[in-house]
Amino acid sequence: GAVVSQHPSRVICKSGTSVKIECRSLDFQATTMFWYRQFPKQSLMLMATSNEGSKATYEQGVEKDKFLINHASLTLSTLTVTSAHPEDSSFYICSASMLEELSSPLHFGNGTRLTVT
Amino acid sequence: GQNIDQPTEMTATEGAIVQINCTYQTSGFNGLFWYQQHAGEAPTFLSYNVLDGLEEKGRFSSFLSRSKGYSYLLLKELQMKDSASYLCAVSDSNYQLIWGAGTKLIIKP
Repeated sequence: GAVVSQHPSRVICKSGTSVKIECRSLDFQATTMFWYRQFPKQSLMLMATSNEGSKATYEQGVEKDKFLINHASLTLSTLTVTSAHPEDSSFYICSASMLEELSSPLHFGNGTRLTVT
Repeated sequence: GQNIDQPTEMTATEGAIVQINCTYQTSGFNGLFWYQQHAGEAPTFLSYNVLDGLEEKGRFSSFLSRSKGYSYLLLKELQMKDSASYLCAVSDSNYQLIWGAGTKLIIKP
């Protein structure tokens, strides 16, 4: 089955620094990738949708200058949390889909647990 | 607005059967997904329904009624490892996924 690799799985950083999270589709071309954030005991919250070669579409309330998304190729999307603050500590999950399979299940990465101290 | 409702938490006994309900109101419908999520892990796909009726896959089955905006996930022969959150998600007219808040299922021996 389709595999999505997300790296790193855990990261601890100091307040004010930036962190980059990578999401790769290993055996298919992901025309669309989604970035989610999940706080403890809460459901997934969609942050942004990125399509290869174009700007990401951010959900309301998500700062695009703080959460930089780059979808440079059909197999790689990155999320950079800039000037991280403790309140950015969360579980970040990416998922990917293929344009020609709009009704197919999303393939999720294993998530990145970010802790900002 | 678009809305997905599912119970917050359910408790069941090992070996028993449990049904997790999901009701939805969305702009358009292109299918309903069920995902399982263990604590601290990413969701994993369980089932997809786009036509009315029951889809069976091993111990798990999923049912859909489009006219009622209703689905359920049925888990049989419950095992301790089934303790997880179960997320209902609907694909709307733009193929955007609308997520429910998830149902935390607790399995007791």
